[in-house]
Amino acid sequence: QVHLVQSGAEVKKPGASVKVSCKASGYTFNNYGVSWLRQAPGQGLEWMGWINLYNGKTIYAQKFQGRLSLTANTSATTVFMELTSLISDDTAVYFCARDRMEYSGPNSFDPWGQGTQVIVSS
Amino acid sequence: EIVLTQSPATLSLSPGETATLSCRASQMISDYFAWYQQKPGQAPRLLIYAASKRAPGIPARFSGSGSGTDFTLTIHSLEPEDFAVYYCQQRSSWPPLITFGGGTKVEVK
Repeated sequence: QVHLVQSGAEVKKPGASVKVSCKASGYTFNNYGVSWLRQAPGQGLEWMGWINLYNGKTIYAQKFQGRLSLTANTSATTVFMELTSLISDDTAVYFCARDRMEYSGPNSFDPWGQGTQVIVSS
Repeated sequence: EIVLTQSPATLSLSPGETATLSCRASQMISDYFAWYQQKPGQAPRLLIYAASKRAPGIPARFSGSGSGTDFTLTIHSLEPEDFAVYYCQQRSSWPPLITFGGGTKVEVK
């Protein structure tokens, strides 16, 4: 079974950074890209960026350019999302999600991780 | 950026009825179009990809249609577990950027 398991909730102060992990299992890790998305309280879904786990290339939504870094530890089949210079508006549940198809680029996402709550508060 | 507008925002229906959800794009989009279901406290679940293909394990009562700028998700004979929020999503051709609609909540009437 394909699973994505994310790290636990985080509470951060404004200006700090957060790093969330997403451990993948049940499939050939390098063959599928992974996106990160977020959902602010009571709001819809927002795509943040994508990492190609075959060659490490990334694509970031313009909104997050300069603040977002997606990396991976291939041997640990784990993807990381680091967001810097946090503000209160970054308070959200953050999800990792695998590309539905291998070698396809970000397209549709299946499955998703369970989500990680990040709270930014002074 | 391509904007997706979902309507209605809320749909109040009874079990057994048919739900018709709409998603309109601000410009022509490709077949990189999907629908997701999200229940409170859960991650979204992929229902439909490539506008009309059901994801594995999704019941046949869920169907997607449309092309260009107008897309529809139809849920026939609503089951109690279908009451949830539904999101549409598209990917632009290049660069491959992803946007979501604002969601439609299907609630019990």
